[in-house]
Amino acid sequence: GEKVEQHESTLSVREGDSAVINCTYTDTASSYFPWYKQEAGKSLHFVIDIRSNVDRKQSQRLIVLLDKKAKRFSLHITATQPEDSAIYFCAASIQNVLYFGSGTKLTVEP
Amino acid sequence: GPKVLQIPSHQIIDMGQMVTLNCDPVSNHLYFYWYKQILGQQMEFLVNFYNGKVMEKSKLFKDQFSVERPDGSYFTLKIQPTALEDSAVYFCASSLGLGGRVSQNTLYFGAGTRLSVL
Repeated sequence: GEKVEQHESTLSVREGDSAVINCTYTDTASSYFPWYKQEAGKSLHFVIDIRSNVDRKQSQRLIVLLDKKAKRFSLHITATQPEDSAIYFCAASIQNVLYFGSGTKLTVEP
Repeated sequence: GPKVLQIPSHQIIDMGQMVTLNCDPVSNHLYFYWYKQILGQQMEFLVNFYNGKVMEKSKLFKDQFSVERPDGSYFTLKIQPTALEDSAVYFCASSLGLGGRVSQNTLYFGAGTRLSVL
């Protein structure tokens, strides 16, 4: 089945800097790549997604990039704020199953 | 936004006992999911459920596992009997399920139930 690797287990940035979280996947059949955010003690919350028919998508300070050749996708958070601190999970889907990465704990320091 | 509630947040039981994990999905959602996360590892797909039936399940969904949603009430995951390796956080999720594909329907997750099997 699909395997999703999330390369950074922790990431620390200064407020105002950009943060980049990278993921790779193995199955070329994957066609949908959502990102979820989990704040301490709370449930996973959808933040942004990208489909395989595009290679870039932006929503306010969030940018997702998809490189299908390299089977790699990434989340870029620009102008980070302390409230961006959370665990971020990438995922890839085949049909109706989402396969998750192991999560990146992002800390935004004031 | 829409909320998925999981009850209880933590459950401790002895190995061999039965346990039922409860999930109250978003009210108009049609697709339901269970994921399992062992401490420090990835969240892994167990099963999805639609129209009263299991649609897909992974190899982690052992014979001791079962799911149901009787009469539109809680979506439950039952483990009988439990084993030590069942200790994990179990996340429930739901989606509208239109077209049956996750790419068309955002999954909404609960906060998880931490199951400790002693």
